[in-house]
Parts: sequence; C-alpha cells; structure tokens
Amino acid sequence: NAGVTQTPKFRILKIGQSMTLQCTQDMNHNYMYWYRQDPGMGLKLIYYSVGAGITDKGEVPNGYNVSRSTTEDFPLRLELAAPSQTSVYFCASSLGTSGDSYEQYFGPGTRLTVT
Amino acid sequence: GQNIDQPTEMTATEGAIVQINCTYQTSGFNGLFWYQQHAGEAPTFLSYNVLDGLEEKGRFSSFLSRSKGYSYLLLKELQMKDSASYLCAVRGRSFQKLVFGTGTRLLVSP
Repeated sequence: NAGVTQTPKFRILKIGQSMTLQCTQDMNHNYMYWYRQDPGMGLKLIYYSVGAGITDKGEVPNGYNVSRSTTEDFPLRLELAAPSQTSVYFCASSLGTSGDSYEQYFGPGTRLTVT
Repeated sequence: GQNIDQPTEMTATEGAIVQINCTYQTSGFNGLFWYQQHAGEAPTFLSYNVLDGLEEKGRFSSFLSRSKGYSYLLLKELQMKDSASYLCAVRGRSFQKLVFGTGTRLLVSP
C-alpha cells in the first residue's frame, strides 16, 4: 500500500494563476480531508468528503474547490491564487469516524508559494 | 466554537519524562487525538481518548479529563528522535471535523 499520495511536492504560483493539488489513497477509505498548515500553526480543515460524490466545507474553504468522483481521488482546486494561500497542504484519509476507524492517515504534503 | 491551547515549546533531556498539556473548550465532545509531526513531514497518529482516564501505548501515554477540558501526553524514556511537534486535536459535535491546536515543539537534548 502506498497510503496517501500527493502531487506535486512543491509549486510556485503567480498571483491569479490556478492549479489543482492531487490526492490519492489506496486504502479504500471513505473519508478524505484537505488541510492547510501555515508556519508555526496547527492544521486548518479546508474541505472534507464522506464518500464519492459528497463533499462539505471545513473551517477555511474560501478560495478553494474540491470534487470526489471516485473513492480514491480527492483533488483540491485553487482558482485565482493569492499570497494568503501560501502554505503547506496536507491531504488525509480515514476509514470512518468511530471505533477503530477514526485514525487519519496523512499524505506527505504539498508546499505552495504564491508570489 | 472551539479553542485549543498548548504550550508553544518545551525542552527535555534524553532519558527523561516530559508531559505536554492541552486544554480545550468545545461545543460538544467526541474525542481527543494526539499527533506527532517531525519538521517538514506529515503528522502521524499517536493516541485517541474519548473516555476519562489514561491510555498507555509503549513509551507514550495520553490522559483525558472531560470535566476539566484537559488532556496531556506523557513521553517516557525520551529519545533524540522524539524531537518533534505534538499536535492536540479535538473532535466536537461534528464527527467529521478535527480542530487542531497550534502544536507543542519538543526539543530533546543529549
């Protein structure tokens, strides 16, 4: 199992450009999440999904969009990138939210700089 | 809303014991998590508490008091590789959402 994979690892964007951060998991997990982590800060939830075709907003969704067409993939789209979106982005997945299925597995992260 | 407080930084010596505290205020409570994050890496799961008391897992233990809104992570027999940030996260009323504290950076010295 590769677990949770993310691409790209690093990216520099100009203000106003768009991009998609890719996230794939091969653990057949139902739940997937996108977080951002600013320097010295905790993780903030951007969007999450409880299954294919179902997504919902987290704490900081503005400026982002997601889709979940398959169980495995949960891409995050940035439209009109702004300097405030400079951050490290982590994708995570979990089998469920109760019992032994609550543990979230994180991908290696994407370091994004918007200048 | 939810608020989580942890010390910003702690230092300890190899072989010692360290306790990292976390206090929280939430609307509803459905579990508290501890994650370890080495610099430049992804967080990895350490422990989960939903009932009051102590959960032990090898060198790491986590304690929860729901009435006090308080948890701690206890690390015994510290090793250099334990130098990392330790993130406290709480699941409130929504089972799908975890709210993370800003993390405690632990530096273990020889």
